[in-house]
Amino acid sequence: EPEVTQTPSHQVTQMGQEVILRCVPISNHLYFYWYRQILGQKVEFLVSFYNNEISEKSEIFDDQFSVERPDGSNFTLKIRSTKLEDSAMYFCASTYDKGYTFGSGTRLTVV
Amino acid sequence: AQSVTQLGSHVSVSEGALVLLRCNYSSSVPPYLFWYVQYPNQGLQLLLKYTSAATLVKGINGFEAEFKKSETSFHLTKPSAHMSDAAEYFCAVSDNTDKLIFGTGTRLQVFP
Repeated sequence: EPEVTQTPSHQVTQMGQEVILRCVPISNHLYFYWYRQILGQKVEFLVSFYNNEISEKSEIFDDQFSVERPDGSNFTLKIRSTKLEDSAMYFCASTYDKGYTFGSGTRLTVV
Repeated sequence: AQSVTQLGSHVSVSEGALVLLRCNYSSSVPPYLFWYVQYPNQGLQLLLKYTSAATLVKGINGFEAEFKKSETSFHLTKPSAHMSDAAEYFCAVSDNTDKLIFGTGTRLQVFP
């Protein structure tokens, strides 16, 4: 069964550093998403991406965040200057016609 | 705006007992509804989804959910709990912009 692949599975970074979280969505999917889950809390929408541009973003997705689809397969989330409160599990998802598939997540720890 | 409410942050059942996890939704458009399961330190796995076809939706691992428009509910059930069902369960609704809006989750514990 096709999967959404996320790398790395864990990342520890120092406050103020830039991080890039990587995702390979399912190849025939058209919509791509990033969600995050702070420990013990619910899953929150960050951003959706369609046709090589952001289609919607939440209030969490401020100027520190950016997304990119640099080639035909990868979909990245960049956090420019990490803060302690960015520590969370970040999930990538892709969908075609309401068939959402999530990756297994990247656990980001900012110290 | 769409939203979901999951009643009960923790549910405990004995092995073999009925599992009932509650989800109520609010939606200004016909909703698409989902249940996801999250095992410890793992990602989100789709259990089942409602996309306006049959109101009783069967999913993986013996779970099913019934869409009740009159009650704005989409409760998840399983007739007989298994120890391996212990996990966090999230109800979600897809809004008209296609993003998923999740509930706060219900942690299911299964006792022997």
